[in-house]
Order: sequence, then C-alpha cells, then structure tokens
Amino acid sequence: DTGVSQDPRHKITKRGQNVTFRCDPISEHNRLYWYRQTLGQGPEFLTYFQNEAQLEKSRLLSNRFSAERPKGSFSTLEIQRTEQGDSAMYLCASSFDWDRGSTEAFFGQGTRLTVV
Amino acid sequence: AQRVTQPEKLLSVFKGAPVELKCNYSYSGSPELFWYVQYSRQRLQLLLRHISRESIKGFTADLNKGETSFHLKKPFAQEEDSAMYYCALSGRPGGTSYGKLTFGQGTILTVHP
Repeated sequence: DTGVSQDPRHKITKRGQNVTFRCDPISEHNRLYWYRQTLGQGPEFLTYFQNEAQLEKSRLLSNRFSAERPKGSFSTLEIQRTEQGDSAMYLCASSFDWDRGSTEAFFGQGTRLTVV
Repeated sequence: AQRVTQPEKLLSVFKGAPVELKCNYSYSGSPELFWYVQYSRQRLQLLLRHISRESIKGFTADLNKGETSFHLKKPFAQEEDSAMYYCALSGRPGGTSYGKLTFGQGTILTVHP
C-alpha cells in the first residue's frame, strides 16, 4: 500500500499518560495535515505542514498537543497528559501544494485513541 | 467563520431511487467545495470537487452560490453507494486557508435492495 499510513491504528492509554502517533505521507507530497474526528462528527482540522514548516494550528490544538515534521517527511503528533476528552480518531492526510497540479488530499486510516 | 452544514445524519433510499444529500456552507469569499466518501472499513476518499465539474460513480454536485449549497445527487442509487458522505470546503488556491478542509457532520446513506 503506497498511500498514507498511520501508526498505531489503535491506542488505549491511561489518563495522564503521553502518547505519540506517526504519519507517513505519500512520498512526493509536500503538504501534511492532521485532523481529529469524534463520534458523530466530521473531521476537524488541527494543524498542517508545508514541507517541514508548521504553517497553521487550530485553536483546538491545546498546548498539550505538539506536532512535528522533521525533514519534511513523516510527521508525529504528541499528546501530553492525556484527558478523556482526547479520545477520538486522529487522521492524517497529505497532498501536493496547489502549484504542483492535483491538490487532492489523501487520508490515512487513522489512529483511534481511547483514554481510560 | 467558515461552516458546512449537512442537515441529514441518516438517509435511506431503495435501489434505483434518486438520492440527494444536502450540503450548505458559509464562507466569506469563494471557497472550493468537495464531497468525500467513506465506505465501510475504508479510509476517507475524495468523491468529487466542484471545480472539476465531473460525474463520479454517477454522482454530480452543482455549486449554487446564491443559496450557498453544494448538494450531491444521483438519479439511480445502487446498493454499493451505501456509505458515509462528507461535504467539505477549503479556501481557493493560493489563499491562506487553501487545503485546510472544513467538514460537515456527515450523512450516512443506506441503499436498500
């Protein structure tokens, strides 16, 4: 599968623990996005990178959340001191930038986080 | 603030019947509109986008700027169309919010045999 891959697919953690998720985008894509999806809702934008630069962060992204994309390849999303409200599906997507032609966003299968 | 509204959480039709999934949006400017689909146990994928003006799997959607709507239509639904459908918008290419998608809550379409 040469699409966007996310690891792990599922994560159960105790409240207060730190968790880190990884996203490997399609290799030629220079844009990478993180979204969060809770039950019954559509995905909500969290942050995005153009190459290694983090260009925008949503107000949803509290200071317990941090994302990185070293070297403009894979990305990690870390949540510190998890809370039960952090339980959600975390989706990663990648695309070309608008000047590279098709800008279709390709999504990964997501990481489902459960905080107990 | 930009917003996408899908008024129907659930929509059921019989095979061969027409189907319309509603989507309304609010955005200051000219957005780019999309429909994404998620079939059972599969990842979210793009179905169509308004700038392409194409029909995918028999689905079409027309952007109505006056009514700020982007309804998805298919004249004859098939069982394999059963899925979750999300309407989404983004700013236009080159703008600051380009590529960042705002999604609606989604509509679960069930097509009965």
